[in-house]
Amino acid sequence: KNQVEQSPQSLIILEGKNCTLQCNYTVSPFSNLRWYKQDTGRGPVSLTIMTFSENTKSNGRYTATLDADTKQSSLHITASQLSDSASYICVVSVGRFQTGANNLFFGTGTRLTVIP
Amino acid sequence: DTGVSQNPRHKITKRGQNVTFRCDPISEHNRLYWYRQTLGQGPEFLTYFQNEAQLEKSRLLSDRFSAERPKGSFSTLEIQRTEQGDSAMYLCASSLVSGNTEAFFGQGTRLTVV
Repeated sequence: KNQVEQSPQSLIILEGKNCTLQCNYTVSPFSNLRWYKQDTGRGPVSLTIMTFSENTKSNGRYTATLDADTKQSSLHITASQLSDSASYICVVSVGRFQTGANNLFFGTGTRLTVIP
Repeated sequence: DTGVSQNPRHKITKRGQNVTFRCDPISEHNRLYWYRQTLGQGPEFLTYFQNEAQLEKSRLLSDRFSAERPKGSFSTLEIQRTEQGDSAMYLCASSLVSGNTEAFFGQGTRLTVV
């Protein structure tokens, strides 16, 4: 069964601190993994997208890692800011683009709160 | 702004009424997805189009729900005889049909059924 699990469910950190969010998946065949940031009441916005051959990708203070062997990914946020408060959703894509099947599997997200 | 536009942003309706939402994807994107998201949960897949063809529907899409994409451009999602359990954020996303392509989400339509 294709599943994406994220941990922790929620996290509170002090402004300026670093944090790491986890994503484990059982999706197969794997195509790519994406991290999205979703502010309250808004749609998700892409942070990174990684393919099977990539094991790290950065976007400013966000760094995502991927271990395709263990089927795990992490999102590391450096020097957190109040504006980082949001839900972070891990999305894994199945490699069935040509068949037309739904190919995006979502985690339930990690709710990050950065406090001053 | 991701380029995917959804209208309205908010909708409050009485139970039993019908509602219709619209999604305008990025113009060159041929894939369009609808998702439903409740508080504290990730988006749940409802249905998806490739051009004008509706290729897959989730079991969440009961017979009260219908989606169309008549010309392969904008899409509508209609909910008939709304129920309080339909209250959620309805998200639309679009993408190209090619390997490892990005999916861009709209801001969503927040539906409240009273």
